[in-house]
Amino acid sequence: KAGVTQTPRYLIKTRGQQVTLSCSPISGHRSVSWYQQTPGQGLQFLFEYFSETQRNKGNFPGRFSGRQFSNSRSEMNVSTLELGDSALYLCASSLMGEQYFGPGTRLTVT
Amino acid sequence: GESVGLHLPTLSVQEGDNSIINCAYSNSASDYFIWYKQESGKGPQFIIDIRSNMDKRQGQRVTVLLNKTVKHLSLQIAATQPGDSAVYFCAENRDGTASKLTFGTGTRLQVTL
Repeated sequence: KAGVTQTPRYLIKTRGQQVTLSCSPISGHRSVSWYQQTPGQGLQFLFEYFSETQRNKGNFPGRFSGRQFSNSRSEMNVSTLELGDSALYLCASSLMGEQYFGPGTRLTVT
Repeated sequence: GESVGLHLPTLSVQEGDNSIINCAYSNSASDYFIWYKQESGKGPQFIIDIRSNMDKRQGQRVTVLLNKTVKHLSLQIAATQPGDSAVYFCAENRDGTASKLTFGTGTRLQVTL
């Protein structure tokens, strides 16, 4: 069974731009969660989607948003990028509990 | 505030020895705990989990101990191997699921030959 895939793997953007990251969960998994990982703050929960609905949300500003499609694929969007948004963005999918993480998208904001 | 922290940022262990990685949590309402392993360039990988109604759980070469009295969690790795070198995170949640996890800061395990 294929694992969680994230695209793109690497991305460089300029301050003020927006970015969309994509996550394809493991087949059959309906829950998709997003995390931001930085050296200073560690792994922080962004939001979780289940059956196309946001089920949980972390403490991030409204510039961070997400959505989930009927095939459970998910996207997250960050608008008006700031230097501090540079991070590894991880997606995790789960069926009934255990979360499986993708390799992440490394976003660099210059 | 709510936090999940680790006692040591780096742990160096000789190959073949047992490793113990510790984690303290502050939210007494937490009822589900997970240990993850993250290798360079990869996402976190599930190792083992434990619910608050247990105090010990064993997997293959790994054991997780939970002490709710002092809000302490530990991961024991038996016969540590070079492939165990990675950063280990503990994570906790309050609703018994793996959603909306709060992660600790991580401990780097270095296995020396």
